[in-house]
Amino acid sequence: ELKVEQNPLFLSMQEGKNYTIYCNYSTTSDRLYWYRQDPGKSLESLFVLLSNGAVKQEGRLMASLDTKARLSTLHITAAVHDLSATYFCAVDERGNNDMRFGAGTRLTVKP
Amino acid sequence: NAGVTQTPKFQVLKTGQSMTLQCAQDMNHEYMSWYRQDPGMGLRLIHYSVGAGITDQGEVPNGYNVSRSTTEDFPLRLLSAAPSQTSVYFCASSYHRDNKAQYFGPGTRLLVL
Repeated sequence: ELKVEQNPLFLSMQEGKNYTIYCNYSTTSDRLYWYRQDPGKSLESLFVLLSNGAVKQEGRLMASLDTKARLSTLHITAAVHDLSATYFCAVDERGNNDMRFGAGTRLTVKP
Repeated sequence: NAGVTQTPKFQVLKTGQSMTLQCAQDMNHEYMSWYRQDPGMGLRLIHYSVGAGITDQGEVPNGYNVSRSTTEDFPLRLLSAAPSQTSVYFCASSYHRDNKAQYFGPGTRLLVL
């Protein structure tokens, strides 16, 4: 069964600091997605990683995928308050149309 | 484009009642899906469809039915509501099954008493 684990589940950061969110999954997959959710809102797609070694960057966020380690990371550089949100990773199992989400990482960036 | 739309936004049901959550997209997307979101559990896939006339079960399908008669619409039916189905329901769509970067609807908050 496909399992997706994120850590940490809660993250409180100071503005200007760097940190990494980790997403581990249990089965063969080369398709991983990152989403952002603001409180009380819907989800917004951030990154799509479709091959081993894929790296995508948008502003202060950078996502990468290592399919051999079954690991994706979301790196935050010089955090700002506007990045406060819950971040989810999701995995698309190869050969299967099922999708599994991690439990989410609630990020709070403090001034 | 309106994107992905869902109705209603809020609903209160009594145990045993049935209802249909509506979902529509105007992007000609092939893949559509329904999720429920509960605190601390992320999103769990209920049912999905890879095209009109094709549906399949996700992780938590019990108590729910779906159909996909058109590319645009993907309704979710609760057959006999139970308190355990109290949740926030999201519909999502993506262009193709091989790239499921999904567009999410605004969600439906459901309370079952």
